[in-house]
Amino acid sequence: EAQVTQNPRYLITVTGKKLTVTCSQNMNHEYMSWYRQDPGLGLRQIYYSMNVEVTDKGDVPEGYKVSRKEKRNFPLILESPSPNQTSLYFCASSYGDNSPLHFGNGTRLTVT
Amino acid sequence: TQLLEQSPQFLSIQEGENLTVYCNSSSVFSSLQWYRQEPGEGPVLLVTVVTGGEVKKLKRLTFQFGDARKDSSLHITAAQPGDTGLYLCAGAEASGSRLTFGEGTQLTVNP
Repeated sequence: EAQVTQNPRYLITVTGKKLTVTCSQNMNHEYMSWYRQDPGLGLRQIYYSMNVEVTDKGDVPEGYKVSRKEKRNFPLILESPSPNQTSLYFCASSYGDNSPLHFGNGTRLTVT
Repeated sequence: TQLLEQSPQFLSIQEGENLTVYCNSSSVFSSLQWYRQEPGEGPVLLVTVVTGGEVKKLKRLTFQFGDARKDSSLHITAAQPGDTGLYLCAGAEASGSRLTFGEGTQLTVNP
């Protein structure tokens, strides 16, 4: 089954404790992206990757890092999480930069 | 980043009613996508419209792209409780590498 898999689904952590949210897709998509979804603000892009070893900032990249060492994986790293990063995070992939996106089921992160 | 405004933000209707959701921008998009998101899940693509003036139908859902490719609408006929969800429009920039999402319309269809 074609899918984008994110882990974990839920995460509660404390300020400053480094964390990684994993994302993997099995559709051989070149394009992958991370979004955060907040009430009243919609989906905002954090980082995206056009291909392996190619990443770029989205609209709200501050406080986040990504890597794209393999085509299928695109982890999101929060080196020092802060409460304002409490949000619902989605990983997505597609064949190309403006092609329809396939989304994971989300990771709900709470930073206390 | 180009901005997309969706209206209304919230819509609560009775089963059987018709409704229209709007997605507007002052910018031109090369294409526009509509997604539906249900609680606990990621958005799922419903349709992509590409040509100005294009109309696409998906069962009881009708999608239209404005002639100038700046706006789009989603019309649902005889809404059903299963239509409940968050509807998102996303515009693709003519050049660039990103989609711009609207804030979404939360639709609730009451039985």
